[in-house]
Amino acid sequence: AQKITQTQPGMFVQEKEAVTLDCTYDTSDQSYGLFWYKQPSSGEMIFLIYQGSYDEQNATEGRYSLNFQKARKSANLVISASQLGDSAMYFCAMSRYNSGGSNYKLTFGKGTLLTVNP
Amino acid sequence: DVKVTQSSRYLVKRTGEKVFLECVQDMDHENMFWYRQDPGLGLRLIYFSYDVKMKEKGDIPEGYSVSREKKERFSLILESASTNQTSMYLCASSLFGTGYFFGPGTRLTVL
Repeated sequence: AQKITQTQPGMFVQEKEAVTLDCTYDTSDQSYGLFWYKQPSSGEMIFLIYQGSYDEQNATEGRYSLNFQKARKSANLVISASQLGDSAMYFCAMSRYNSGGSNYKLTFGKGTLLTVNP
Repeated sequence: DVKVTQSSRYLVKRTGEKVFLECVQDMDHENMFWYRQDPGLGLRLIYFSYDVKMKEKGDIPEGYSVSREKKERFSLILESASTNQTSMYLCASSLFGTGYFFGPGTRLTVL
């Protein structure tokens, strides 16, 4: 079974500094996808970044980058130049790519609450 | 623009009532999902569907059922609501597992 672990329940960072949110995963699949979502207090889930298991380069999207270390089964999110609006809950998630259409479900970690201080 | 909508943002029901939560997507996605989110537990999968009339149980299906009569619509049903089903419910859709799009969520309170 797939499992996602986020060991940091809460993190604090000063505005304009970089922060790394940790995520490790456990799977026996060869093909999978890794995602990060942001959830502000309003509740909506905002997609941030995606990394496929066969992608050799780390994914980047603006101020977000995913530090993918396949052998260590880690997929840490790095946010550069933190902004006050980055304060939110962040979730790491993993999907399966098995054929057959019935195994594309997304499994989530428990989340990390990031607070950006002015 | 991609859109997933849910029938209500906030819902208050009484114990024992039958509750319907509806989700509609406009992206022609094959896969749709219902998650429940509780503090400290993250998101947990209740049910998912990979085609019309097809469904599979997720991690916590007890007390819930689902219906998918049309590709764009996926309904979550609480046959007899209980207080421990008070939660945030999130619907999502996806095409091939590389992009998952979420609705705004429904905060359900069962009194």
